[in-house]
Amino acid sequence: EAQVTQNPRYLITVTGKKLTVTCSQNMNHEYMSWYRQDPGLGLRQIYYSMNVEVTDKGDVPEGYKVSRKEKRNFPLILESPSPNQTSLYFCASSYNQPQHFGDGTRLSIL
Amino acid sequence: SQKIEQNSEALNIQEGKTATLTCNYTNYSPAYLQWYRQDPGRGPVFLLLIRENEKEKRKERLKVTFDTTLKQSLFHITASQPADSATYLCAPSKLGGYQKVTFGTGTKLQVIP
Repeated sequence: EAQVTQNPRYLITVTGKKLTVTCSQNMNHEYMSWYRQDPGLGLRQIYYSMNVEVTDKGDVPEGYKVSRKEKRNFPLILESPSPNQTSLYFCASSYNQPQHFGDGTRLSIL
Repeated sequence: SQKIEQNSEALNIQEGKTATLTCNYTNYSPAYLQWYRQDPGRGPVFLLLIRENEKEKRKERLKVTFDTTLKQSLFHITASQPADSATYLCAPSKLGGYQKVTFGTGTKLQVIP
């Protein structure tokens, strides 16, 4: 089954403790992207990747890092999480268009 | 800067009626526009894509129009059902697909039985 898998689905952690949210797709898509979704602000793009070793900033990249060492994986790294990064995060992948989204990761930073 | 506007308030309609959702954009010339559906706590799911040279696109009970002069897309759901209740997002996009993508904030549709 074609899918985008995110882990973990839920995470409560504390300020400053590094965390990684993994994203994996099994559709051989070149394009992958991370979004955060907050009430009233909608989906905002954090980073995207057009292919292996090619990444670029979206609208809200501050405080986040990404890497694309393999085509199928696109982890989102929060080196020093802060409470304003509490949000619902989505990973997506596509070949051209449209985008296929994961089921989301709800992060709470205390 | 680029701006995408959707009906910010929820839209409530009676079952069986046609729902019409609006997506307006400014400072932008998209080559195509996508519509997605999002259920609470779930990722968006792609519904329809319409290109700039297409005036209208249909898929079952769904219809999308794209007016590049007005910089507007309309999304219609005919014979609406309670199962259509969800948030609908528009995403104007440039060619190629390998670009930064911006979504509208979405319109929450509630179909009342």
